[in-house]
Amino acid sequence: NAGVTQTPKFRVLKTGQSMTLLCAQDMNHEYMYWYRQDPGMGLRLIHYSVGEGTTAKGEVPDGYNVSRLKKQNFLLGLESAAPSQTSVYFCASRLQWSYQPQHFGDGTRLSIL
Amino acid sequence: SQQGEEDPQALSIQEGENATMNCSYKTSINNLQWYRQNSGRGLVHLILIRSNEREKHSGRLRVTLDTSKKSSSLLITASRAADTASYFCATDSGGSYIPTFGRGTSLIVHP
Repeated sequence: NAGVTQTPKFRVLKTGQSMTLLCAQDMNHEYMYWYRQDPGMGLRLIHYSVGEGTTAKGEVPDGYNVSRLKKQNFLLGLESAAPSQTSVYFCASRLQWSYQPQHFGDGTRLSIL
Repeated sequence: SQQGEEDPQALSIQEGENATMNCSYKTSINNLQWYRQNSGRGLVHLILIRSNEREKHSGRLRVTLDTSKKSSSLLITASRAADTASYFCATDSGGSYIPTFGRGTSLIVHP
């Protein structure tokens, strides 16, 4: 039981390049989330999904796209990377009840040069 | 925007001492959660307290919730060097399953 797995763990991109971050969970959770964490800013929600085939915008969605084609996977895409997107990205999942905690992956550290 | 705000931003104590950190929030909540984040790792859930609960314990952790003051506290008793981490509170409000996180308290426990 791996929980939440994020791929890759580290990546360096050049401005304008695109890439996809993968999040996979094996807990059959309905809800999945993508956050970014910057120094002194806490966690900010980028996009989230309440079930297979659904996605919604969070607090800071600009410059990112997401897809949830399979229940266990939630993909985060950077269309044209910018230095402002240098951050640590965390994926989380949760059962479909508000009295359940979120489970987090260990993050993807992304640097955009 | 952050719903919860932790206080203090940083806390430095000696091993064996108690550590207390606080979380204040703005709107009514369904529940409040505390998470720990070790350096370079993801967040790990510690305790969830519902809005109709006032206190919960888990091992050396004690969480209180005062909905009239819109605040919560996390107490770690007899701290250990391994407790060194950042601690975040998160709140669930209304019909949303989207927790809102604070900026965190950085705890350093000196051996």
